[in-house]
Amino acid sequence: DAKTTQPNSMESNEEEPVHLPCNHSTISGTDYIHWYRQLPSQGPEYVIHGLTSNVNNRMASLAIAEDRKSSTLILHRATLRDAAVYYCILRGLGEGDKIIFGKGTRLHILP
Amino acid sequence: GAVVSQHPSWVICKSGTSVKIECRSLDFQATTMFWYRQFPKQSLMLMATSNEGSKATYEQGVEKDKFLINHASLTLSTLTVTSAHPEDSSFYICSALLAGSADTQYFGPGTRLTVL
Repeated sequence: DAKTTQPNSMESNEEEPVHLPCNHSTISGTDYIHWYRQLPSQGPEYVIHGLTSNVNNRMASLAIAEDRKSSTLILHRATLRDAAVYYCILRGLGEGDKIIFGKGTRLHILP
Repeated sequence: GAVVSQHPSWVICKSGTSVKIECRSLDFQATTMFWYRQFPKQSLMLMATSNEGSKATYEQGVEKDKFLINHASLTLSTLTVTSAHPEDSSFYICSALLAGSADTQYFGPGTRLTVL
């Protein structure tokens, strides 16, 4: 499985943008980049995914480097409810569809 | 987005008893569901892949006779923890696969099991 590297933790002030980085230097051409987040005492929540182009949805934006070896999840205006562990995951074809979670980035939002 | 529910949300049981946890996909059909376990301050650990109409596929180190999985319909998978012991106390989370582009998984809210 292609691996991802994320910082263990990050802090951000409320109402400011947050950029969560993820390195995936061994990504293959068919790997999708997925982001999930897990709020305290809840199951993970799908955030966004992309393949090559940048993606936007109501929750966040995903910026993918041109060489696809890194990506950044962007929360445009963080709120206290965005405090969670964010997981960057690569999902390729033919891997049985299962997700193997890494340690993720614990995001702290400061009021 | 797609919704997955789990029941119960929490359960306390005595050592030696069995506990069944249900996972339902509410607004879509899922031929594949997954079961995870999460200990405090740790990441999710995949236990098994549940396939509708066939036997589950267990990850290495997970005892299939202890964690019984049944996926009898396209919207329901159950995990039964048999002869539970205190070390089985954990947060159990299921997910359901929504087939399509990139095969997104949708997760249930989790079930907290406490074995006394």
